[in-house]
Amino acid sequence: GNSVTQMEGPVTLSEEAFLTINCTYTATGYPSLFWYVQYPGEGLQLLLKATKADDKGSNKGFEATYRKETTSFHLEKGSVQVSDSAVYFCALLYSTLTFGKGTMLLVSP
Amino acid sequence: ETGVTQTPRHLVMGMTNKKSLKCEQHLGHNAMYWYKQSAKKPLELMFVYNFKEQTENNSVPSRFSPECPNSSHLFLHLHTLQPEDSALYLCASSQEDNPYNEQFFGPGTRLTVL
Repeated sequence: GNSVTQMEGPVTLSEEAFLTINCTYTATGYPSLFWYVQYPGEGLQLLLKATKADDKGSNKGFEATYRKETTSFHLEKGSVQVSDSAVYFCALLYSTLTFGKGTMLLVSP
Repeated sequence: ETGVTQTPRHLVMGMTNKKSLKCEQHLGHNAMYWYKQSAKKPLELMFVYNFKEQTENNSVPSRFSPECPNSSHLFLHLHTLQPEDSALYLCASSQEDNPYNEQFFGPGTRLTVL
C-alpha cells in the first residue's frame, strides 16, 4: 500500500536557521506530493505541491523537490521565523490522500 | 463565511450522549471528507462523500454515522462513544474532477469523551 514517512519531531531551531524536514514515500504508481501545515488551533493548510518527478513546489519561502529516484520530497526553508512554528505534514495522492505523522517545528527568537 | 467551517469547535460529551458535528464548505466543491487526528498518529480518513454519495468508509465503528444532505454540508453523528474516540475531527472538501484533488480543511472540532 501507499505510505509516507517523516522525520520525528520536534525540530527546534533558532530564528533565521536553515530548515530541512525529511519525507520519503512508498507508492504503487506515480503520486502527487504535498506539504500541509497546521498552525496551533487550526486545520491543515496546503503549503506546496508537486505533481511529477523533478517538479519543485514553493510557497512562503518553503521549497520541496519531487525526487523519484530517492522517493523523497524533503521540505526546506533558508531562514525560518518564529511564525513558522507549526506541525508540517507530508502527503501523497494516489486515488486517496495519505499523510505522514507530522513533524512539529518550534522556532525560538 | 469562506472556505470550510466546522461547528462546534470544542465538544465534551459523556459516553451515553448523542451529539453531531457539522461541516459546511463554501467553495463549490463536490467531495467532502471526515478525518480523525489523534496525538502521535497519522491522519485517519474516516468517510468520503462524492456528489453526496458515500464512496468510502474506512472500517469506522458504527457509533460514528455520517450524513451528507447536499454537496455543501456534512455531518458526523456520534453516539455511545468511548474515551479513545477523543481526538480532533477534521472536515475537508475538494473538487473531484480536479486531477490533483487538493483538499481544503476546516479548523476541526476538538472532541473529548468522558
